[in-house]
Amino acid sequence: DAGITQSPRHKVTETGTPVTLRCHQTENHRYMYWYRQDPGHGLRLIHYSYGVKDTDKGEVSDGYSVSRSKTEDFLLTLESATSSQTSVYFCAISESSAGGGNQPQHFGDGTRLSIL
Amino acid sequence: SQKIEQNSEALNIQEGKTATLTCNYTNYSPAYLQWYRQDPGRGPVFLLLIRENEKEKRKERLKVTFDTTLKQSLFHITASQPADSATYLCALDMDSSYKLIFGSGTRLLVRP
Repeated sequence: DAGITQSPRHKVTETGTPVTLRCHQTENHRYMYWYRQDPGHGLRLIHYSYGVKDTDKGEVSDGYSVSRSKTEDFLLTLESATSSQTSVYFCAISESSAGGGNQPQHFGDGTRLSIL
Repeated sequence: SQKIEQNSEALNIQEGKTATLTCNYTNYSPAYLQWYRQDPGRGPVFLLLIRENEKEKRKERLKVTFDTTLKQSLFHITASQPADSATYLCALDMDSSYKLIFGSGTRLLVRP
C-alpha cells in the first residue's frame, strides 16, 4: 500500500472554527490532491499540488485553502468551517508523468469531518 | 461541463456470475479511463487503467472495455465472489492533465 497518512481520522467541530487536515506521504510523489466525498456527488476535487509551494484550485475550492511546504506534506484548511463542509475528505497522490491521466492515484483512508 | 454517469442503484448478483458495471460520459474525450474499488470507511484503490486507443484491458478476473464512439466503459468481474462486494468508481482524465474527474460509483453486492 502507498504510504499515505491522513490526520485526524475523525473530527467534530463547531461552525466558525478553523480546521486543518493533514496529509503525509512517504512515496516522494510530486502530485497531491484533496477531495471531498458526499452522497450522490462522488469524489470532487478541492485543491491539488504539482510541487512544493505549487498549488491550484479544483472544482469545489471555495472556503478552502491549502499549503505544501514540503514534498511529503499537504495541508487543507477550512478558515471558518460551515455545516456544508461536513464531509469525508480524502487525500491522494500520484507520480509525475508527461501523459497526465495515465498515472493512477493512491488514496489515504480519509478524514470524517462533522461541523455542528 | 464534463459529466460522468454510473448507475446509482446497487447491482446485486449471485456468486459465480459475471458482474458488469457501466460508466458513461458526455462532453468530453478522455485519453485515459481508470477504475477504482472503494470499501466502506476506506479510500479508493486503483484497479485498472485503459487508454483511448485500447479497446479492452484485462487483469486476472477483471476486464475493462473502452468505447470512445459510445462514450462508455464497461467493467466486468468474472466468477464473482462475495469479497468483490464494494463500490466501484470510474474516473477520467481532465484535458490530458494529472487531474481526474470521478463518477459517483456503483455498489456491487455479491450473494453467497
